Amino acid sequence: RKEVEQDPGPFNVPEGATVAFNCTYSNSASQSFFWYRQDCRKEPKLLMSVYSSGNEDGRFTAQLNRASQYISLLIRDSKLSDSATYLCVVNAGNQGGKLIFGQGTELSVKP
Amino acid sequence: NAGVTQTPKFQVLKTGQSMTLQCAQDMNHNSMYWYRQDPGMGLRLIYYSASEGTTDKGEVPNGYNVSRLNKREFSLRLESAAPSQTSVYFCAITLMGGTGGHNEQFFGPGTRLTVL
Repeated sequence: RKEVEQDPGPFNVPEGATVAFNCTYSNSASQSFFWYRQDCRKEPKLLMSVYSSGNEDGRFTAQLNRASQYISLLIRDSKLSDSATYLCVVNAGNQGGKLIFGQGTELSVKP
Repeated sequence: NAGVTQTPKFQVLKTGQSMTLQCAQDMNHNSMYWYRQDPGMGLRLIYYSASEGTTDKGEVPNGYNVSRLNKREFSLRLESAAPSQTSVYFCAITLMGGTGGHNEQFFGPGTRLTVL
């Protein structure tokens, strides 16, 4: 079993749609959770951290369920510019700053 | 890129050749990382360095060596390149206690390596 598993993609949605990405992680000692965005042939960039109580940043909402070891990202009112690969990332428990990356879910928003 | 630079941007090698990928940061961070990214595999940690002078193996260290001679630079060396090492290589630094107290990583622009 992979340490971080994400929905297989790609997701193809029309502009304005709401899309949800799911992620599960296996290390119950993980304490930090993130969503990164990666554009084609570019480096990953931090989209948002995920807090225990859930958090929102504009059209993006992240949720964490520690009991189920599950993380989600919801994108409302999708824009063409949201097209990218979204990476679910968790820290490697008590191993300092080491992060474990999911394989990513590709999103394509169409006009 | 939070001040993380990588050189070269692109490289083509023949099997058996050696090369060093360079990474430098100007943010005075302690922790630095080397990842490789392959289609369908996500990012996999090759080596990391928690501080100047220390290095540790990650998930896929075989075929690589690293050097952290000073706080600013962390290099990755391929002594005898193999086609299986064709990949995109990313260097990253950790911003300790970032947003909400989480340790966030910031990446360099990557090096695209092809081994023929």
